[in-house]
Amino acid sequence: KQEVTQIPAALSVPEGENLVLNCSFTDSAIYNLQWFRQDPGKGLTSLLLIQSSQREQTSGRLNASLDKSSGRSTLYIAASQPGDSATYLCAATGYSTLTFGKGTMLLVSP
Amino acid sequence: DTEVTQTPKHLVMGMTNKKSLKCEQHMGHRAMYWYKQKAKKPPELMFVYSYEKLSINESVPSRFSPECPNSSLLNLHLHALQPEDSALYLCASSHPPWGLANYGYTFGSGTRLTVV
Repeated sequence: KQEVTQIPAALSVPEGENLVLNCSFTDSAIYNLQWFRQDPGKGLTSLLLIQSSQREQTSGRLNASLDKSSGRSTLYIAASQPGDSATYLCAATGYSTLTFGKGTMLLVSP
Repeated sequence: DTEVTQTPKHLVMGMTNKKSLKCEQHMGHRAMYWYKQKAKKPPELMFVYSYEKLSINESVPSRFSPECPNSSLLNLHLHALQPEDSALYLCASSHPPWGLANYGYTFGSGTRLTVV
């Protein structure tokens, strides 16, 4: 059974810092890995999707990498802003389901 | 249209009530999902529909009854719920993950359910 772990569980940084969120998964037989953002009480917004054959994806200030062999993915956020404050979830797509990590709660202070 | 639309956004119901949650997508996705999310926890899978047929039921109590009337709609019928069922209910859709085209999951904004 796939298990997804995210480190750290919470992170507090001042505005402007670059930061890295970590995600690890136990079963490398994934179709893709997806990073989501969730604001309190809201739904999930997809940030980046990395196919199993890809190494990284970029969108604006966000960059996600994937190393299937080691079972790891990272989400890099450049020049963080208070509006980036949210919970970030990574999820691994298996044969028929999506397995989530417990998330990293990010707070960016002005 | 690249959205999953869920209605209602908020719902308060008594333990003897019957209500339904609705989910709609027009992206041509043939897999649709219901997830339940409690505060500060990740979403938990409840049901998976693939090509309008129920393919996964994660041992969900029978007071939750899913329905997929067509390829664009997914309903979750609620009856005799308990206070502990209060949560955010999320709908999602995707191309079937095991298919050749896999562009990830799209989630709706959720229905905040409170059972009193």
